[in-house]
Amino acid sequence: DQQVKQNSPSLSVQEGRISILNCDYTNSMFDYFLWYKKYPAEGPTFLISISSIKDKNEDGRFTVFLNKSAKHLSLHIVPSQPGDSAVYFCAAGFKAAGNKLTFGGGTRVLVKP
Amino acid sequence: NAGVTQTPKFRILKIGQSMTLQCTQDMNHNYMYWYRQDPGMGLKLIYYSVGAGITDKGEVPNGYNVSRSTTEDFPLRLELAAPSQTSVYFCASSYPPKLTGGNYGYTFGSGTRLTVV
Repeated sequence: DQQVKQNSPSLSVQEGRISILNCDYTNSMFDYFLWYKKYPAEGPTFLISISSIKDKNEDGRFTVFLNKSAKHLSLHIVPSQPGDSAVYFCAAGFKAAGNKLTFGGGTRVLVKP
Repeated sequence: NAGVTQTPKFRILKIGQSMTLQCTQDMNHNYMYWYRQDPGMGLKLIYYSVGAGITDKGEVPNGYNVSRSTTEDFPLRLELAAPSQTSVYFCASSYPPKLTGGNYGYTFGSGTRLTVV
């Protein structure tokens, strides 16, 4: 079963505007959530994480929001830049399980100049 | 600082052949992982290790084996390759999760693109 799901396969946004990426999960016991960015022919790179005890974490242009009652998290990128064009994965994990992560299917973001 | 290095970058195997995907990291991370990514899909965990001499199965371990004799190296062995193993393979390493919550995240290698024909 897909415990972490990204329902939007793609997103197109104008440069300078906000990109909002969404992710839903089914297991309320996840301890933390992460976002990764992936360019073609490269490995994913870590962007930002949030603990399940928080509802917001911010790092520069990237903010992650966690809504535990809805089992939903989102990544906001403000302002969006052409270099943000990539595939974004959300992931979730448990502290007591070897830091294993379960990944969503990804959302492809295209930032148009 | 090399991070996580995977070799080879590309490989074509015939059905029934075997090979080893190499992974080494120089960050002194205890935790290491192998994931595979099929086209248009997310990453699925094959095997992981929380330290030298300790390995465990992930979500999709069938057809693969691993070993972890040193902190730095975590090779993935494919025995009797099948077309279903055509995928991009990523090795990653990490610190344990933060005690205060949150996570440092994984460092991934650049991947091995494997085609089985």
